[in-house]
Amino acid sequence: QQPVQSPQAVILREGEDAVINCSSSKALYSVHWYRQKHGEAPVFLMILLKGGEQKGHEKISASFNEKKQQSSLYLTASQLSYSGTYFCGTEVKGAQKLVFGQGTRLTINP
Amino acid sequence: EPEVTQTPSHQVTQMGQEVILRCVPISNHLYFYWYRQILGQKVEFLVSFYNNEISEKSEIFDDQFSVERPDGSNFTLKIRSTKLEDSAMYFCASRIPGQGAIKGQETQYFGPGTRLLVL
Repeated sequence: QQPVQSPQAVILREGEDAVINCSSSKALYSVHWYRQKHGEAPVFLMILLKGGEQKGHEKISASFNEKKQQSSLYLTASQLSYSGTYFCGTEVKGAQKLVFGQGTRLTINP
Repeated sequence: EPEVTQTPSHQVTQMGQEVILRCVPISNHLYFYWYRQILGQKVEFLVSFYNNEISEKSEIFDDQFSVERPDGSNFTLKIRSTKLEDSAMYFCASRIPGQGAIKGQETQYFGPGTRLLVL
């Protein structure tokens, strides 16, 4: 069963913040976040393994609430280059695959 | 920086024809994957491959599909008799764990994809 992402789409002005959520009905081993630009491959952003753990670099960070099986991706002071579709990929223990959410399309306008 | 490569970048074929999509995973990776993405939709898992055998496959991966690692570097996906609904972008991915990996930090690195169009 695929994770559910929300919102489905976000439109922001440059410099604004965004939060993208990913929730699963299954107990997760890890959550992987990717960004995909139109016509390109998904690009890995970060992986989260432990409950409550936050990871990030520069202005993109993420958290993982293991008890709720939810992860959130935080984009602060968004830049034009952040535009794209963001996917969360979830992994359950013992499985050798990622199950992706339906994606969140982020548009950043000047 | 090492990366996953895929060939061809685009393939157009007639319905019923066989196609082979090729991938060269990152050299020290041990797990290999195929995913597909129909235009405008999410990325879907097809199959995972480890230690020269399929470790998991989805319901999409029926008898028309097969994977092979014919040598130490290539990883292929074959579709025996293509259907119109096989038109999609096909991504290969690879993953540690392997020597030098930080435990728990492995993720899957995606190739650029092969766009398959079945007419």
